[in-house]
Amino acid sequence: NAGVMQNPRHLVRRRGQEARLRCSPMKGHSHVYWYRQLPEEGLKFMVYLQKENIIDESGMPKERFSAEFPKEGPSILRIQQVVRGDSAAYFCASAPQGEETQYFGPGTRLLVL
Amino acid sequence: GEDVEQSLFLSVREGDSSVINCTYTDSSSTYLYWYKQEPGAGLQLLTYIFSNMDMKQDQRLTVLLNKKDKHLSLRIADTQTGDSAIYFCAESPGSGGYNKLIFGAGTRLAVHP
Repeated sequence: NAGVMQNPRHLVRRRGQEARLRCSPMKGHSHVYWYRQLPEEGLKFMVYLQKENIIDESGMPKERFSAEFPKEGPSILRIQQVVRGDSAAYFCASAPQGEETQYFGPGTRLLVL
Repeated sequence: GEDVEQSLFLSVREGDSSVINCTYTDSSSTYLYWYKQEPGAGLQLLTYIFSNMDMKQDQRLTVLLNKKDKHLSLRIADTQTGDSAIYFCAESPGSGGYNKLIFGAGTRLAVHP
């Protein structure tokens, strides 16, 4: 059973461009969480999704950020018009229905120039 | 509010025991977790403890939970150089029926010969 997959692993964008981060949960997992880790800090919750539904987006910035988890395919975290402050590692975690434990992917490290 | 605090740095000699401490604020947290992050990598789940337990042992790892003081510790016996990493404590506040993790800033463990 492959673990949580994230791609790309590294992403470089110029200010004003869009960043798309993808997360494929573990097989059989229907819950996806996105977290952001700023340099030298812990992870901060961004959004929690189930298939085709956003359940909790209380950690998402109000503008430029969006997330989806379609019926088919990976979960996508989209950042429009990136700014330097968006530079961070973005981690996805998945969990199966009814289970507490989250399993993390390797992360996408976004660098905004 | 929700907050998890950890000391930022710990240095130990190879073969000694390491103890990493954490305090949390949400008394409703049902599970408390320890994750390990090596440089440039994702988070690896080390162990977790259910809130009605005082202690959990798993090979070289011992987790102690003092629910009254909201204090969690991770003891690593016979610490090895491969244990050098950042260790994150996380709580899962009990509201909402799902598992939004609140992380500490991480404790950087350095193991020297």
